[in-house]
Amino acid sequence: KNQVEQSPQSLIILEGKNCTLQCNYTVSPFSNLRWYKQDTGRGPVSLTIMTFSENTKSNGRYTATLDADTKQSSLHITASQLSDSASYICVVSDRGSTLGRLYFGRGTQLTVWP
Amino acid sequence: EADIYQTPRYLVIGTGKKITLECSQTMGHDKMYWYQQDPGMELHLIHYSYGVNSTEKGDLSSESTVSRIRTEHFPLTLESARPSHTSQYLCASSDSQVSYNEQFFGPGTRLTVL
Repeated sequence: KNQVEQSPQSLIILEGKNCTLQCNYTVSPFSNLRWYKQDTGRGPVSLTIMTFSENTKSNGRYTATLDADTKQSSLHITASQLSDSASYICVVSDRGSTLGRLYFGRGTQLTVWP
Repeated sequence: EADIYQTPRYLVIGTGKKITLECSQTMGHDKMYWYQQDPGMELHLIHYSYGVNSTEKGDLSSESTVSRIRTEHFPLTLESARPSHTSQYLCASSDSQVSYNEQFFGPGTRLTVL
């Protein structure tokens, strides 16, 4: 069964600190992995997309890593800001269908305190 | 910010009412999607469309229906709303000619059925 598991479920950190969010997946055949940021009451916004051959990708203070062998990914946030408070969702796409089906994790709810 | 819009943003209605959730995108994307998301849970695909006059049911069974008469418009209709339909509904679109088939999400409609 294709699944995406994220940890931790929730995380509280102080402004300025770094944090790392984890994602494990069983989706096969693998196409790409995305990290989305979803603010409360809003739709998800893409942060990074990585294919099988990429093992790291950065977008400002966000750095995602991918280990396709162990089927694990992480999202590292550097020097956190209050605006980073949101849910971070790991999404894996398969290449077994023309739709490019997406499998969503439940997200990690990050709260940044001043 | 993606050019995909949803109205209304919030809707509170009584049981048995017919409702239509609107979704429009101005990016000329051929594929459009509807997802349902409950608090703290993953997004579930309920409907999708490859293009005009094409609609398919997603992974999660839903009593809603959709139509795709114009490329930019993908409304979702509930003929008789029930409390079990209370959820957040997210619309998304993508361009099948672009790498990764990245999906862009609207802001969502929070539906509450009393």
